[in-house]
Amino acid sequence: QSALTQPASVSGSPGQSITISCTGTSSDVGGYNYVSWYQQHPGKAPKLMIYDVNDRPSGVSDRFSASKSGNTASLTISGLQAEDEADYYCGSYTSSSTRFVFGTGTKVTVL
Amino acid sequence: EVQLLESGGDLVQPGGSLRLSCAASRFTFGSYAMSWVRQAPGKGLEWVSVISGGGSNTYYADSVKGRFTISRDNSKNTLYLQMNSLRAEDTAVYYCAKDPTGTTRSFDSWGQGTLVTVSS
Repeated sequence: QSALTQPASVSGSPGQSITISCTGTSSDVGGYNYVSWYQQHPGKAPKLMIYDVNDRPSGVSDRFSASKSGNTASLTISGLQAEDEADYYCGSYTSSSTRFVFGTGTKVTVL
Repeated sequence: EVQLLESGGDLVQPGGSLRLSCAASRFTFGSYAMSWVRQAPGKGLEWVSVISGGGSNTYYADSVKGRFTISRDNSKNTLYLQMNSLRAEDTAVYYCAKDPTGTTRSFDSWGQGTLVTVSS
């Protein structure tokens, strides 16, 4: 099972919006509405930001939104803030025997 | 608030074994599937294994299948990962994570991680 494909880095200025893509296959991203997104600051554990494609856990800012089209999922951060600078990973249930796969990760830089 | 506390990470020689533990509290442990996720130094997240709430169903990443065994003791609210035949590429921070749905769709709570270093 190969990792889902994400851009290595994305950057934006404070207040701008950025979008991170996550490309998989019909066995994972495209086949199920089970895509999740995680934020990870350096030296910290990951934090769930989005689950089931576009649902936000309680306490996560509504500046974070997500969607899916075909085999590609996307995370959008609106009104970019300095605290959003972190690594972001997508993840998906997969019908393969391994059951779950993460994306390659994207480093978000706030200019 | 859910608490997950990993332990057992250490320096081990290639070919050696290690058992990690994850102590859970502040939620009904036996009602939730649990996973192990690892992160090699400077690298991305890699899902390792999942076990169902009752412990009867387990799945593994291809990279650890046949070498690692996930288990749990619901009477002790503890998750385990037995790691055998360790390789240098198993060097990573190992996180335990709670699966809120039991279908390996997402992970809503994570521990702080424990470092495993495989080196001679």
